[in-house]
Amino acid sequence: DGGITQSPKYLFRKEGQNVTLSCEQNLNHDAMYWYRQDPGQGLRLIYYSQIVNDFQKGDIAEGYSVSREKKESFPLTVTSAQKNPTAFYLCASSPFRGGVGYTFGSGTRLTVV
Amino acid sequence: QQQVKQSPQSLIVQKGGISIINCAYENTAFDYFPWYQQFPGKGPALLIAIRPDVSEKKEGRFTISFNKSAKQFSLHIMDSQPGDSATYFCAASSFAPLSGAGSYQLTFGKGTKLSVIP
Repeated sequence: DGGITQSPKYLFRKEGQNVTLSCEQNLNHDAMYWYRQDPGQGLRLIYYSQIVNDFQKGDIAEGYSVSREKKESFPLTVTSAQKNPTAFYLCASSPFRGGVGYTFGSGTRLTVV
Repeated sequence: QQQVKQSPQSLIVQKGGISIINCAYENTAFDYFPWYQQFPGKGPALLIAIRPDVSEKKEGRFTISFNKSAKQFSLHIMDSQPGDSATYFCAASSFAPLSGAGSYQLTFGKGTKLSVIP
């Protein structure tokens, strides 16, 4: 079955550490996205990539970094510069046309301990 | 121009009642309007979507009503059930590329938390 796989489901980070969240898709989608979700805040776009080896900052990119070396993979690194990283992180992908087929992964809950 | 405004932020409905969630948009280039349903701890999943060439689309108990002139669309859940309790997001995008980067992404509303009580 085609879909998006996010791992791990739960992640704990000590303050000052970098952590990397994995996102893999087998939908052959061109575009991939990372969102952060906090209670009552909706979905806030962190980074997106429309083609391999290219990505753009979203609304809240500070303290995060991404790479897009393969079409199927779009990992997100939460760096120590992100002051409030505890949140639910969602990865999504879409074909390169207008939102149709936009699909989300099941999310990673990151907690700073 | 890119915003989608969603209301209410939260909604409590009795079992069997009708749940109504409203969204308004500004960008007239938007031509695809999906609704997503999200259960706690899960990713959002596509529920129903509409293109602006029709004023209404129904799938089971879920109906989208679309008013192009008012730039508004709404989700109606008939005979609401406790299992419908979730957060609902409206969204919009353009099938044709918009100017600037990120032309193909969905613009989301802030979400509505629906609670259906027995």
